Amino acid sequence: QKEVEQNSGPLSVPEGAIASLNCTYSDRGSQSFFWYRQYSGKSPELIMFIYSNGDKEDGRFTAQLNKASQYVSLLIRDSQPSDSATYLCAVKGSGNTGKLIFGQGTTLQVKP
Amino acid sequence: NAGVTQTPKFQVLKTGQSMTLQCAQDMNHNSMYWYRQDPGMGLRLIYYSASEGTTDKGEVPNGYNVSRLNKREFSLRLESAAPSQTSVYFCASRWLAGGGGELFFGEGSRLTVL
Repeated sequence: QKEVEQNSGPLSVPEGAIASLNCTYSDRGSQSFFWYRQYSGKSPELIMFIYSNGDKEDGRFTAQLNKASQYVSLLIRDSQPSDSATYLCAVKGSGNTGKLIFGQGTTLQVKP
Repeated sequence: NAGVTQTPKFQVLKTGQSMTLQCAQDMNHNSMYWYRQDPGMGLRLIYYSASEGTTDKGEVPNGYNVSRLNKREFSLRLESAAPSQTSVYFCASRWLAGGGGELFFGEGSRLTVL
């Protein structure tokens, strides 16, 4: 079992819809959770991070964390064609190494 | 403000050749990381340096060595390149290993081993 798992997709949604991206992790001691967006041929860029159970909203993006279920998700409201990219879930485990373990990424396609 | 700078951006090697990927950050970050990215595999951690003077193996360290030259610089060396090492390599840094905080990435180095 991979430490961090995502559905690779592609996930296709129409413009204006809500896109829901999901991620599960195996280390119960994981402390921090990150969502990165990566456009083709570019480096990953941070969208959101979440540390506590519940929801965290930032503009059109909402991160949701459920530590009991070892599950983190990203909702994108009012999806735009410019949101089309690969979304990487990353988890910082227990300990002080600071290393992030990434999932394989979910490709999102937003169709006009 | 350059952030994380990687060199070279592109490289083609023959099997068995050696090379070093250079990475430097100007954000006074303590921790630095090397990842590789292959299609459908996400980012996999090769080696990391939680602080100056320390290095540790990540998920896929075989065939690589690293050097934390100083606080700014963290290099990745392929001693005898193999076709399986064809990949995009990303260097990243963050302020403090044990805390939270964003991981900043370089632009990537595309390596092809023939």
